[in-house]
Amino acid sequence: DAKTTQPTSMDCAEGRAANLPCNHSTISGNEYVYWYRQIHSQGPQYIIHGLKNNETNEMASLIITEDRKSSTLILPHATLRDTAVYYCIPIKTSYDKVIFGPGTSLSVIP
Amino acid sequence: NAGVTQTPKFRVLKTGQSMTLLCAQDMNHEYMYWYRQDPGMGLRLIHYSVGEGTTAKGEVPDGYNVSRLKKQNFLLGLESAAPSQTSVYFCASSKGLAGWVDEQFFGPGTRLTVL
Repeated sequence: DAKTTQPTSMDCAEGRAANLPCNHSTISGNEYVYWYRQIHSQGPQYIIHGLKNNETNEMASLIITEDRKSSTLILPHATLRDTAVYYCIPIKTSYDKVIFGPGTSLSVIP
Repeated sequence: NAGVTQTPKFRVLKTGQSMTLLCAQDMNHEYMYWYRQDPGMGLRLIHYSVGEGTTAKGEVPDGYNVSRLKKQNFLLGLESAAPSQTSVYFCASSKGLAGWVDEQFFGPGTRLTVL
């Protein structure tokens, strides 16, 4: 299973873009990059996932480098409600176990 | 749709007591999961199920048992609770598309304290 490295914490000003990096240099060819977030005391929430191409949905954008060794989650206009722990998780195309690491604690500041 | 629900929300046990946590989903999902989350840590997978009547071990299965007698329910049992099992327990479910990983939907969690 691929290991990931994420910053422990980050701050972002409200209304600005939040860029959350993730290093997954050992990712294998059949592993997708999934992003979840967990707002305090709640269950995790799915955000977005991708394999090779950049992806965008109503919540965020995902930029994956060409060599797939790292990715960046972008919240285009961060709000206070985006304050949460963000998890980057490589997952194979199977029901293999999902490993949630420590993640990045994002604080959006007014 | 209620999504994923968990019962109870809070529970305090004494060492050695037993209990069962119930997870229910109304999305007709095939796969269901139990995780635990300790302070300052990410989630760790305890057990999971890829369909009614089947279960499998995750990262930290010791001290827990599970059953999936009905597709919509996934039960997590603690036969003899220990203080090390004090944690927040999350249940999740996913569609279980054959050969693919899809997003997991999580319940609100059960906060368990073992004294």
